[in-house]
Amino acid sequence: QKEVEQNSGPLSVPEGAIASLNCTYSDRGSQSFFWYRQYSGKSPELIMFIYSNGDKEDGRFTAQLNKASQYVSLLIRDSQPSDSATYLCAVTNTNAGKSTFGDGTTLTVKP
Amino acid sequence: GAVVSQHPSWVICKSGTSVKIECRSLDFQATTMFWYRQFPKQSLMLMATSNEGSKATYEQGVEKDKFLINHASLTLSTLTVTSAHPEDSSFYICSARTLGLGAYEQYFGPGTRLTVT
Repeated sequence: QKEVEQNSGPLSVPEGAIASLNCTYSDRGSQSFFWYRQYSGKSPELIMFIYSNGDKEDGRFTAQLNKASQYVSLLIRDSQPSDSATYLCAVTNTNAGKSTFGDGTTLTVKP
Repeated sequence: GAVVSQHPSWVICKSGTSVKIECRSLDFQATTMFWYRQFPKQSLMLMATSNEGSKATYEQGVEKDKFLINHASLTLSTLTVTSAHPEDSSFYICSARTLGLGAYEQYFGPGTRLTVT
């Protein structure tokens, strides 16, 4: 079992729809959770981070964290073709100083 | 803020030569830097982690004598691919992290595309 699991996709949604990206992790000591976006041929860029259970909203993006279920998700509202990318979930155990990335979910938003 | 640069952005070299890639944190001090490799349509693969002033910690399967990492200062880390071969052709990405930002987020450089002919 991988430490951080993501559906590889591809996930395809129509323009304007909500895209839901999911991530589960195995280390219960994890405290910080991150979502990165990686366009094809480019390096990852940080788009959201969340530390506490519940929802965190930033523009069209909402990160959701449930530590009891070891689950973190990213919702993208009003999806745009420019959101088409691979989304990486990263989980950090700050005590161990260790960050682990998932393999990513590829999202395609169709016009 | 939190900008990481890499140089060069792309490089082509002949088989058997060595290539050095620089990674700099421009507006923060990076206590830890990471080096990743990514082949086309594959996921990020962590190669090594380096803390300033310490020897790098390499992931299993990564040859430390082939991929030399130096983290001489809080703003600069270098990766040298020694005696490069065509199978080393890949996208090399560094990232930097600082405790000062409080959350262990990593900021990635733009990557270096290496082609070995």
